[in-house]
Amino acid sequence: ILNVEQSPQSLHVQEGDSTNFTCSFPSSNFYALHWYRWETAKSPEALFVMTLNGDEKKKGRISATLNTKEGYSYLYIKGSQPEDSATYLCAPPAHNNNDMRFGAGTRLTVKP
Amino acid sequence: DARVTQTPRHKVTEMGQEVTMRCQPILGHNTVFWYRQTMMQGLELLAYFRNRAPLDDSGMPKDRFSAEMPDATLATLKIQPSEPRDSAVYFCASGLVPTERGAFLFGPGTRLTVL
Repeated sequence: ILNVEQSPQSLHVQEGDSTNFTCSFPSSNFYALHWYRWETAKSPEALFVMTLNGDEKKKGRISATLNTKEGYSYLYIKGSQPEDSATYLCAPPAHNNNDMRFGAGTRLTVKP
Repeated sequence: DARVTQTPRHKVTEMGQEVTMRCQPILGHNTVFWYRQTMMQGLELLAYFRNRAPLDDSGMPKDRFSAEMPDATLATLKIQPSEPRDSAVYFCASGLVPTERGAFLFGPGTRLTVL
Protein backbone atom coordinates (compact mmCIF):
# COMPACT_ATOMS: atom_id res chain seq x y z
CA ILE A 1 0.00 0.00 0.00
CA LEU A 2 1.39 3.36 -1.02
CA ASN A 3 2.21 5.66 1.89
CA VAL A 4 0.71 9.08 1.25
CA GLU A 5 1.02 11.89 3.74
CA GLN A 6 -0.69 15.24 3.59
CA SER A 7 0.16 18.18 5.77
CA PRO A 8 -1.08 20.02 7.59
CA GLN A 9 -4.16 18.05 8.62
CA SER A 10 -6.14 21.24 8.96
CA LEU A 11 -5.65 24.90 8.25
CA HIS A 12 -7.60 28.01 9.18
CA VAL A 13 -6.93 31.18 7.24
CA GLN A 14 -8.54 34.56 6.79
CA GLU A 15 -10.23 35.58 3.57
CA GLY A 16 -7.61 37.03 1.26
CA ASP A 17 -4.70 35.03 2.68
CA SER A 18 -2.68 32.83 0.40
CA THR A 19 -1.97 29.32 1.58
CA ASN A 20 -0.31 26.10 0.58
CA PHE A 21 -0.18 22.49 1.66
CA THR A 22 1.79 19.39 0.86
CA CYS A 23 1.30 15.87 -0.42
CA SER A 24 4.26 13.54 0.15
CA PHE A 25 4.64 10.16 -1.50
CA PRO A 26 7.33 7.59 -2.29
CA SER A 27 9.33 8.82 -5.26
CA SER A 28 9.99 5.44 -6.85
CA ASN A 29 7.82 4.12 -9.70
CA PHE A 30 5.90 7.33 -10.05
CA TYR A 31 3.01 7.42 -12.52
CA ALA A 32 0.78 10.37 -11.74
CA LEU A 33 -0.54 12.48 -8.90
CA HIS A 34 -4.18 13.45 -8.59
CA TRP A 35 -5.51 16.38 -6.56
CA TYR A 36 -9.16 16.57 -5.55
CA ARG A 37 -11.28 19.11 -3.76
CA TRP A 38 -13.95 17.72 -1.44
CA GLU A 39 -16.60 20.00 -0.02
CA THR A 40 -18.72 18.91 2.90
CA ALA A 41 -21.79 16.89 1.87
CA LYS A 42 -20.59 16.68 -1.73
CA SER A 43 -18.47 14.26 -3.71
CA PRO A 44 -14.77 14.83 -4.47
CA GLU A 45 -14.09 16.97 -7.51
CA ALA A 46 -10.99 16.60 -9.62
CA LEU A 47 -8.57 19.52 -9.66
CA PHE A 48 -5.38 18.34 -11.36
CA VAL A 49 -3.65 15.28 -12.75
CA MET A 50 0.11 15.79 -12.69
CA THR A 51 2.55 13.52 -14.41
CA LEU A 52 5.94 15.13 -15.10
CA ASN A 53 8.60 16.25 -12.69
CA GLY A 54 8.47 20.03 -12.54
CA ASP A 55 4.85 20.13 -13.70
CA GLU A 56 2.93 23.21 -12.67
CA LYS A 57 -0.80 23.43 -13.24
CA LYS A 58 -3.23 26.22 -12.55
CA LYS A 59 -6.99 26.60 -12.30
CA GLY A 60 -8.07 30.08 -11.36
CA ARG A 61 -6.53 30.93 -7.99
CA ILE A 62 -5.42 27.36 -7.34
CA SER A 63 -2.14 25.98 -8.62
CA ALA A 64 -0.03 22.89 -7.99
CA THR A 65 3.56 21.86 -8.49
CA LEU A 66 5.14 18.45 -8.63
CA ASN A 67 8.56 17.11 -7.65
CA THR A 68 8.74 13.42 -8.46
CA LYS A 69 12.41 13.07 -7.54
CA GLU A 70 11.88 14.04 -3.94
CA GLY A 71 8.30 12.81 -3.76
CA TYR A 72 6.09 15.80 -3.04
CA SER A 73 3.49 18.07 -4.54
CA TYR A 74 2.37 21.47 -3.31
CA LEU A 75 -1.08 22.93 -3.72
CA TYR A 76 -1.33 26.73 -3.54
CA ILE A 77 -4.38 28.89 -3.15
CA LYS A 78 -3.93 32.58 -3.79
CA GLY A 79 -6.25 35.02 -2.08
CA SER A 80 -8.38 32.39 -0.30
CA GLN A 81 -12.13 32.85 -0.34
CA PRO A 82 -14.73 31.25 1.95
CA GLU A 83 -15.87 29.08 -0.96
CA ASP A 84 -12.40 27.50 -1.00
CA SER A 85 -13.21 25.87 2.33
CA ALA A 86 -12.99 22.13 1.68
CA THR A 87 -10.79 19.11 2.21
CA TYR A 88 -8.05 18.80 -0.38
CA LEU A 89 -7.05 15.24 -1.18
CA CYS A 90 -4.14 13.84 -3.13
CA ALA A 91 -3.69 10.35 -4.58
CA PRO A 92 -0.54 9.02 -6.20
CA PRO A 93 -1.60 5.75 -7.84
CA ALA A 94 0.25 2.68 -6.61
CA HIS A 95 3.29 1.31 -8.42
CA ASN A 96 1.15 -1.08 -10.40
CA ASN A 97 -0.82 1.96 -11.53
CA ASN A 98 -4.09 0.35 -10.68
CA ASP A 99 -5.44 1.73 -7.46
CA MET A 100 -6.18 5.22 -6.18
CA ARG A 101 -5.63 5.48 -2.45
CA PHE A 102 -6.07 8.93 -1.03
CA GLY A 103 -4.19 10.68 1.69
CA ALA A 104 -6.14 11.80 4.74
CA GLY A 105 -6.43 15.25 3.25
CA THR A 106 -5.89 18.83 4.37
CA ARG A 107 -9.03 20.46 5.69
CA LEU A 108 -9.03 24.16 4.81
CA THR A 109 -11.34 26.66 6.50
CA VAL A 110 -11.39 30.20 5.17
CA LYS A 111 -12.93 32.73 7.54
CA PRO A 112 -14.65 35.79 6.08
CA ASP B 1 -21.31 16.40 -19.29
CA ALA B 2 -20.99 12.69 -18.57
CA ARG B 3 -21.66 11.80 -14.96
CA VAL B 4 -21.29 8.85 -12.66
CA THR B 5 -24.64 7.98 -11.15
CA GLN B 6 -25.35 6.15 -7.93
CA THR B 7 -28.56 4.73 -6.54
CA PRO B 8 -30.10 4.98 -4.08
CA ARG B 9 -28.89 8.37 -2.85
CA HIS B 10 -30.12 7.60 0.66
CA LYS B 11 -30.87 4.30 2.33
CA VAL B 12 -32.12 3.66 5.84
CA THR B 13 -32.32 0.05 6.88
CA GLU B 14 -32.36 -2.12 9.95
CA MET B 15 -29.48 -4.17 11.20
CA GLY B 16 -29.35 -7.55 9.53
CA GLN B 17 -30.97 -6.45 6.29
CA GLU B 18 -29.31 -6.75 2.90
CA VAL B 19 -28.28 -3.52 1.21
CA THR B 20 -27.37 -3.15 -2.45
CA MET B 21 -25.82 0.02 -3.81
CA ARG B 22 -25.51 0.62 -7.52
CA CYS B 23 -23.17 2.66 -9.65
CA GLN B 24 -23.32 3.49 -13.33
CA PRO B 25 -19.82 4.46 -14.48
CA ILE B 26 -19.09 6.69 -17.42
CA LEU B 27 -19.20 4.84 -20.72
CA GLY B 28 -15.68 4.09 -21.94
CA HIS B 29 -14.03 4.23 -18.54
CA ASN B 30 -12.11 1.05 -17.79
CA THR B 31 -11.80 1.29 -14.01
CA VAL B 32 -14.36 1.60 -11.23
CA PHE B 33 -13.57 2.21 -7.57
CA TRP B 34 -15.75 1.87 -4.48
CA TYR B 35 -14.89 4.10 -1.52
CA ARG B 36 -16.37 4.65 1.90
CA GLN B 37 -16.22 7.98 3.69
CA THR B 38 -15.04 7.53 7.25
CA MET B 39 -14.42 10.04 9.99
CA MET B 40 -10.99 8.67 10.77
CA GLN B 41 -9.62 7.73 7.38
CA GLY B 42 -11.31 10.07 4.95
CA LEU B 43 -11.85 8.09 1.77
CA GLU B 44 -11.28 4.40 2.37
CA LEU B 45 -10.80 2.25 -0.74
CA LEU B 46 -13.02 -0.82 -0.58
CA ALA B 47 -12.66 -2.46 -3.99
CA TYR B 48 -11.96 -1.76 -7.62
CA PHE B 49 -12.49 -3.22 -11.06
CA ARG B 50 -10.59 -2.90 -14.27
CA ASN B 51 -12.32 -3.87 -17.49
CA ARG B 52 -14.99 -5.36 -15.21
CA ALA B 53 -12.54 -7.74 -13.53
CA PRO B 54 -12.15 -7.37 -9.76
CA LEU B 55 -8.56 -6.39 -8.98
CA ASP B 56 -8.56 -5.81 -5.27
CA ASP B 57 -11.21 -6.04 -2.61
CA SER B 58 -8.88 -6.23 0.35
CA GLY B 59 -10.44 -3.11 1.83
CA MET B 60 -13.79 -4.78 2.36
CA PRO B 61 -14.94 -6.95 5.25
CA LYS B 62 -15.15 -10.17 3.26
CA ASP B 63 -17.72 -11.88 5.38
CA ARG B 64 -20.42 -9.33 4.69
CA PHE B 65 -19.43 -7.15 1.73
CA SER B 66 -19.31 -8.13 -1.91
CA ALA B 67 -18.68 -6.12 -5.06
CA GLU B 68 -19.52 -7.09 -8.60
CA MET B 69 -19.60 -5.60 -12.05
CA PRO B 70 -22.10 -7.63 -14.04
CA ASP B 71 -21.70 -5.46 -17.12
CA ALA B 72 -19.90 -2.33 -18.26
CA THR B 73 -22.78 -0.09 -17.20
CA LEU B 74 -23.29 -1.37 -13.67
CA ALA B 75 -21.19 -1.90 -10.57
CA THR B 76 -22.77 -3.09 -7.34
CA LEU B 77 -21.74 -3.12 -3.71
CA LYS B 78 -23.72 -5.40 -1.45
CA ILE B 79 -23.74 -5.68 2.32
CA GLN B 80 -25.35 -8.73 3.88
CA PRO B 81 -26.08 -8.63 6.75
CA SER B 82 -25.74 -4.93 7.42
CA GLU B 83 -24.57 -3.60 10.78
CA PRO B 84 -24.81 -0.14 12.37
CA ARG B 85 -21.04 0.36 11.91
CA ASP B 86 -21.60 0.19 8.14
CA SER B 87 -23.39 3.53 8.30
CA ALA B 88 -21.42 5.85 6.03
CA VAL B 89 -21.43 7.50 2.64
CA TYR B 90 -20.35 5.15 -0.12
CA PHE B 91 -18.88 6.63 -3.30
CA CYS B 92 -18.04 5.09 -6.59
CA ALA B 93 -15.67 6.67 -9.07
CA SER B 94 -14.82 5.78 -12.63
CA GLY B 95 -11.89 6.66 -14.84
CA LEU B 96 -9.16 5.44 -17.12
CA VAL B 97 -6.02 3.54 -16.27
CA PRO B 98 -3.18 4.35 -16.80
CA THR B 99 -4.16 7.12 -14.40
CA GLU B 100 -2.12 9.76 -16.15
CA ARG B 101 -4.80 9.69 -18.82
CA GLY B 102 -7.11 11.79 -16.72
CA ALA B 103 -8.97 12.36 -13.53
CA PHE B 104 -11.42 9.98 -11.97
CA LEU B 105 -14.97 11.20 -11.64
CA PHE B 106 -17.00 10.53 -8.52
CA GLY B 107 -20.67 9.78 -8.20
CA PRO B 108 -22.83 11.69 -5.73
CA GLY B 109 -22.62 8.93 -3.13
CA THR B 110 -25.11 6.72 -1.29
CA ARG B 111 -25.71 7.71 2.31
CA LEU B 112 -26.39 4.52 4.24
CA THR B 113 -27.87 4.46 7.72
CA VAL B 114 -28.17 1.13 9.48
CA LEU B 115 -30.34 1.28 12.59
